[in-house]
Amino acid sequence: EAEVAQSPRYKITEKSQAVAFWCDPISGHATLYWYRQILGQGPELLVQFQDESVVDDSQLPKDRFSAERLKGVDSTLKIQPAELGDSAMYLCASSTRPTGVHEQYFGPGTRLTVT
Amino acid sequence: AQSVAQPEDQVNVAEGNPLTVKCTYSVSGNPYLFWYVQYPNRGLQFLLKYITGDNLVKGSYGFEAEFNKSQTSFHLKKPSALVSDSALYFCAVRDYKLSFGAGTTVTVRA
Repeated sequence: EAEVAQSPRYKITEKSQAVAFWCDPISGHATLYWYRQILGQGPELLVQFQDESVVDDSQLPKDRFSAERLKGVDSTLKIQPAELGDSAMYLCASSTRPTGVHEQYFGPGTRLTVT
Repeated sequence: AQSVAQPEDQVNVAEGNPLTVKCTYSVSGNPYLFWYVQYPNRGLQFLLKYITGDNLVKGSYGFEAEFNKSQTSFHLKKPSALVSDSALYFCAVRDYKLSFGAGTTVTVRA
């Protein structure tokens, strides 16, 4: 069964450092999502891509966060500089279409700890 | 604005007993509703969805959910819970984006 791949699984970094996460969606999935999940809460959408284009980044803190999906396949989420409040699980998901009827498939996530 | 509420932080049941996880929603227009499950240090796994049609939706691992438009609810159910069902369950509604509830931790004791 095809899965969404993410790396690294765990990352510990000091505040003010840069950190990057990688995601490889299920082959053929045109829509890719990055979520942040704070402990004890549900995931919140950070950014949504349709192929290589950003279609929603309204909740992305653009002063420190950036995301790209240059060839419309895998994607990178970057934080620079990291802050203590960024400690969370970062989840990547993909779906065949961006519309509401299609379920999203999630990767295992990257757990970030900022010290 | 769209939102979901999961009124119970935790649900505890004995193995073999029925399991219900509650969810209510608020959305303009027709709701697209989903249930996901999350095991420790893992991503979310899709269980089932309601788009239209039959109010009783069947999903993975023996789970089902009942859509009730008048009560704006979408409760997740399993007739006979297993210890392996112990996990964190999220209800979600999709309008222009997928919005998740805060989650309900289910513990099934042997």
